[in-house]
Amino acid sequence: GQSLEQPSEVTAVEGAIVQINCTYQTSGFYGLSWYQQHDGGAPTFLSYNALDGLEETGRFSSFLSRSDSYGYLLLQELQMKDSASYFCAVRDLGRDDKIIFGKGTRLHILP
Amino acid sequence: DGGITQSPKYLFRKEGQNVTLSCEQNLNHDAMYWYRQDPGQGLRLIYYSQIVNDFQKGDIAEGYSVSREKKESFPLTVTSAQKNPTAFYLCASSTSTGTMNTEAFFGQGTRLTVV
Repeated sequence: GQSLEQPSEVTAVEGAIVQINCTYQTSGFYGLSWYQQHDGGAPTFLSYNALDGLEETGRFSSFLSRSDSYGYLLLQELQMKDSASYFCAVRDLGRDDKIIFGKGTRLHILP
Repeated sequence: DGGITQSPKYLFRKEGQNVTLSCEQNLNHDAMYWYRQDPGQGLRLIYYSQIVNDFQKGDIAEGYSVSREKKESFPLTVTSAQKNPTAFYLCASSTSTGTMNTEAFFGQGTRLTVV
């Protein structure tokens, strides 16, 4: 089977940097994605890592280590609007092609 | 504009009733998904479909049914057999087999409440 583990909650201060970790266990792995979801809204795609290393997109970066089955999302210069839930996800390209999500990390930002 | 549309945004169901949630996309995506989200919880996969006239059960399919008669449409029926249907339902679509990217596009969700 497949599973993704991430912390349930993280708290950080406005203007700071925060890292949200994700470990995964899948039958077939091709890459790790991250999504953001504000309360009452739909998840929106943030990033995708297929290869080891760091991918940077503005204030957000995402890292992958395939050998460690581990990735993280790094948010810099935190703003209050970054308060949301963040989900890691993988695509299971086994017998049934489907997208599996972690349980999400709730990010609380303090002023 | 291309996108994925869910309707209605809010839905109330009486005990014992079946209700159908609509999901339409004009992104020309082959794959479509239904997820259930409970307060403070992650996304649990109900059903998914990779091609017209074919679909597979996800982790929590009991009490739900779907159809995929058109590429653009993937309606979800919540049947009376679903004992705890109150939740936020999200429909998503993505490109299908042959791509490794997991970018999924979500509708705005339907919040279903049993009254």
